Amino acid sequence: DAGVTQTPRHEVAEKGQTIILKCEPVSGHNDLFWYRQTKIQGLELLSYFRSKSLMEDGGAFKDRFKAEMLNSSFSTLKIQPTEPKDSAVYLCASSLRTNNYAEQFFGPGTRLTVL
Amino acid sequence: GDQVEQSPSALSLHEGTGSALRCNFTTTMRAVQWFRKNSRGSLINLFYLASGTKENGRLKSAFDSKERYSTLHIRDAQLEDSGTYFCAAEPNMGYKLTFGTGTSLLVDP
Repeated sequence: DAGVTQTPRHEVAEKGQTIILKCEPVSGHNDLFWYRQTKIQGLELLSYFRSKSLMEDGGAFKDRFKAEMLNSSFSTLKIQPTEPKDSAVYLCASSLRTNNYAEQFFGPGTRLTVL
Repeated sequence: GDQVEQSPSALSLHEGTGSALRCNFTTTMRAVQWFRKNSRGSLINLFYLASGTKENGRLKSAFDSKERYSTLHIRDAQLEDSGTYFCAAEPNMGYKLTFGTGTSLLVDP
């Protein structure tokens, strides 16, 4: 029974690089979320897909962050170019939304360090 | 924005005893989830409630949307229950989970 998987678990990047984080949701789930977690800001929503359609693109994160969901079982989050302030844990979550209720299941996260 | 106030921030229990964690919400929430962070840092789902109560083993959770709170009761605490527990709530309008600040639970012999 595979949960949400994320790769890589750790990523170190130089300032200005392009990095791509990957997420595989729970099989059959139709909602997918990308969150960023920092000690100061807590959990911030970056992107939200429902049935592969982008519903929320993260407002303030739009310029350098791009999430894509090419199929229902795979999503990527691209950060281009990276900045030191992007250092954080990036969490992917998925849920099966029915009747407006949906329990979210989280992946283990990718810890990004930008030097 | 939506706020979730979780208490206590830390809790120490002797093995075999019990206690309750609580989350208060500043606005009406549609549903609440409770998680425990495991040793690898992953969030383990404990409960999802849109109303009422649910029980699983030595854990029991309740959610009152109207009164804007949720609780997680632990009874007969065991050493392996030690860890950090989080509540997270989904607003009536929207889908982004807002997390509480967590409760660090330590169960000792």
